[in-house]
Amino acid sequence: GQSLEQPSEVTAVEGAIVQINCTYQTSGFYGLSWYQQHDGGAPTFLSYNGLDGLEETGRFSSFLSRSDSYGYLLLQELQMKDSASYFCAVRVFLYGGATNKLIFGTGTLLAVQP
Amino acid sequence: DGGITQSPKYLFRKEGQNVTLSCEQNLNHDAMYWYRQDPGQGLRLIYYSQIVNDFQKGDIAEGYSVSREKKESFPLTVTSAQKNPTAFYLCASKDRSYGYTFGSGTRLTVV
Repeated sequence: GQSLEQPSEVTAVEGAIVQINCTYQTSGFYGLSWYQQHDGGAPTFLSYNGLDGLEETGRFSSFLSRSDSYGYLLLQELQMKDSASYFCAVRVFLYGGATNKLIFGTGTLLAVQP
Repeated sequence: DGGITQSPKYLFRKEGQNVTLSCEQNLNHDAMYWYRQDPGQGLRLIYYSQIVNDFQKGDIAEGYSVSREKKESFPLTVTSAQKNPTAFYLCASKDRSYGYTFGSGTRLTVV
């Protein structure tokens, strides 16, 4: 089967750093993505890791280790507006590589406190 | 501005009724997707389409149907065969980049 695991909730204070982990078991792995979703809103794309290592985009960084089937999202200098759900998603190939789809984790609710 | 428009934002369905959710994009993306999200859960793939006039079942296609007659449009019909349709429905599209662009969603409730 295909599964992704991430913590259900994380709490941190403004200005702090928080790491959200994601472990996955999938076949046909192509890359790991992260999405942010504010309550009742549309998920927005944050980052993508196709190869091992760290990708940095402003205050957000994402890491991937394909040998460990593990990745994380790192949020620095936390702000109140970062309070949201964060989803990891694995891109897998279908039909011999002709198409692909995203499989989402169940999400991590991040609460940033003053 | 380019984006994905989903309508309606809220939809109420009676038992045994079919309803259609609209999804329109002006991003010129080839691939489009429908996801379902239940409270506190991740997104599960219902149907996807890589090109016009072609679509494939996702992981939870039973009780749903789609069409892709135009590149810009990918409507989802929730049929009476879907026994638990109350959920948040999200439409997405994708070009050759890595990220999906999502619409703002339709919240469907059975009354």
